[in-house]
Amino acid sequence: EIVMTQSPATLSVSPGERATLSCRASQSVNSNLAWYQQKPGQAPRLLIYGASTRATGVPARFSGSGSGTEFTLTISSLQSEDFAVYYCQHYNNWPVTFGGGTKVEIK
Amino acid sequence: EVQLVESGGGLVQPGGSLRLSCAASGFTFSNYAMRWVRQAPGKGLECVSGISGSGDSTYYADSVKGRFTISRDNSKNTVYLQMNSLRAEDTAVYYCVKRPDTGGWFDPWGQGTLVTVSS
Repeated sequence: EIVMTQSPATLSVSPGERATLSCRASQSVNSNLAWYQQKPGQAPRLLIYGASTRATGVPARFSGSGSGTEFTLTISSLQSEDFAVYYCQHYNNWPVTFGGGTKVEIK
Repeated sequence: EVQLVESGGGLVQPGGSLRLSCAASGFTFSNYAMRWVRQAPGKGLECVSGISGSGDSTYYADSVKGRFTISRDNSKNTVYLQMNSLRAEDTAVYYCVKRPDTGGWFDPWGQGTLVTVSS
């Protein structure tokens, strides 16, 4: 089973600042990596798939990069609605697994 | 609009059984694989089971293998998760998710149904 490790666990950022979230896979997942956003009491929402492709309706301030074992989600200028928990997920093979999440909180 | 609506959650005693349902609409259901993903209270996400569009192929996480069974009825646009021998650690919100035909990401997600295993 591929282990996904996200860092940091919590990121304190001021509105308007840039946020950089990391996700590392225990072995290569190629570009088979997705990012999700989850707000309290809600289901996760797909943001990025294929490591760098934004899902429909996702604002351009969200961008993904990386391949192999190292991935990054960047939020270029944090808006109030972006404070949430973010999860990465590989889908290179079964079982697909998720990282433990990064909580982006208001500084 | 694609919609996934889960039902069947509730309180069950350890060792008991429960069947979750997920009613899908807004897409050609039989063309798409489906998954169940759970989230324990305050914890992360775990994909516990999956099924192909035809229902011929099924997948299980080690944590539920031998206890959970996934199935689907394409005539009813519904996917099921039969959960037997439930344990306290199965307590979670269970989400039904759609897997696209070209990749393994999940979109959209249902609203989830809460399963609580407790005496």
